[in-house]
Amino acid sequence: EIVMTQSPATLSVSPGERATLSCRASQSISSFLAWYQQRPGQAPRLLIYGASTRAAGIPARFSGSGSGTDFTLTISSLQSDDFAVYYCQQYDDWPPYTFGQGTKLEIK
Amino acid sequence: QVQLVESGGGVVQPGRSLRLSCAASGFTLSDHAMHWVRQAPGKGLEWVAIVSFDGGEEHYADFVKDRFTVSRDNSNNTLYLQMNSLRTDDTAVYYCARNFIPEDPRSSFDTWGQGTLVTVSS
Repeated sequence: EIVMTQSPATLSVSPGERATLSCRASQSISSFLAWYQQRPGQAPRLLIYGASTRAAGIPARFSGSGSGTDFTLTISSLQSDDFAVYYCQQYDDWPPYTFGQGTKLEIK
Repeated sequence: QVQLVESGGGVVQPGRSLRLSCAASGFTLSDHAMHWVRQAPGKGLEWVAIVSFDGGEEHYADFVKDRFTVSRDNSNNTLYLQMNSLRTDDTAVYYCARNFIPEDPRSSFDTWGQGTLVTVSS
């Protein structure tokens, strides 16, 4: 089973600033990585797939990068509704599909 | 628009059974593999099961193998999760999710339902 590790667990950033979230896979997953946003009380929402492709309707301030084992989600110029929990997920080697433990992005 | 709506959650005693449903609309269910994902209170996301577009193939997480069964009725646009021998650590919100690339399970999950809460408690 591929283990996904996200860092940091909590990230405090001011509105308008940039946030950088990291995700590491326990073995190479090529670019078979997705990022999801989950706001409190809501279902997850797909942000990025293929490590760097934005899903339909996702603003350009969200960008993904990386391949192999190390990945990054960058949110430029944070807005109020960006403060949420973010999960990475690998879908290269399944079952099981595995998620990271999440990074909580909070307002500084 | 594309929508998934889960139902069937509730409070159940340990060892009992429950069946969840996921009604799909706005797209052709039979085109897509489908997933169940769960989230225990205050915890992260945990993949549970996948069923192929035609129901011919299923895969499960080890922690539900031999207890849960995923199935689908494409004619009624509905996905199911039969949960038997429930344990207290099965307590979670259960989401159904659509496989983004219809025929390829090596894919992200592009549409999620709102979830249904299952509480296993005596």
